[in-house]
Amino acid sequence: AQKITQTQPGMFVQEKEAVTLDCTYDTSDPSYGLFWYKQPSSGEMIFLIYQGSYDQQNATEGRYSLNFQKARKSANLVISASQLGDSAMYFCAMSSDSGSARQLTFGSGTQLTVLP
Amino acid sequence: DAGVTQSPTHLIKTRGQQVTLRCSPKSGHDTVSWYQQALGQGPQFIFQYYEEEERQRGNFPDRFSGHQFPNYSSELNVNALWLGDSALYLCASSRTSLDEQFFGPGTRLTVL
Repeated sequence: AQKITQTQPGMFVQEKEAVTLDCTYDTSDPSYGLFWYKQPSSGEMIFLIYQGSYDQQNATEGRYSLNFQKARKSANLVISASQLGDSAMYFCAMSSDSGSARQLTFGSGTQLTVLP
Repeated sequence: DAGVTQSPTHLIKTRGQQVTLRCSPKSGHDTVSWYQQALGQGPQFIFQYYEEEERQRGNFPDRFSGHQFPNYSSELNVNALWLGDSALYLCASSRTSLDEQFFGPGTRLTVL
């Protein structure tokens, strides 16, 4: 069974500063994917960044980077130069590819508030 | 290019009733996955449909069933509604059953 743990229910960051959202995972699968999604109050899950378990380099997408430490089973999201529009719920997720289907296992989320 | 669409946006039902939620995948996608997100929690996988068949199922009772049509759109049916079924139901589509999933805006179901 796979498990995602997000230990920060809420985080505050000043506008233009960087923030790190923590995520640890547990799995026995040798191959897996790690994702971060943003969920504004509207409800839609917005894909931010992906890291494959065999990727040698940490993933980056614009202001988002994923700090992947395989031995520690952590996949923290770093948002640089925070903007007011970054205020939202953030979910870490892991993919499990079973046969021909993929399912995502999500953590409980971190509510990020960016302060002006 | 339209993204994933879901209908209705909101729905109110009473205990014991049945409900049907609908999802149209993103253009070019043939796989649909459904997730339930209770208030204050992360989404939980219900099932995935590909080639009109249920390919994988999460830990949900048989009251939850689905269907995929030849045009790849999908329905989620929930019978004998409980208060605990109140949640945001998210549909996600992907180009194949193993590809990145794109989420719709969700249907918020309230069971009274």
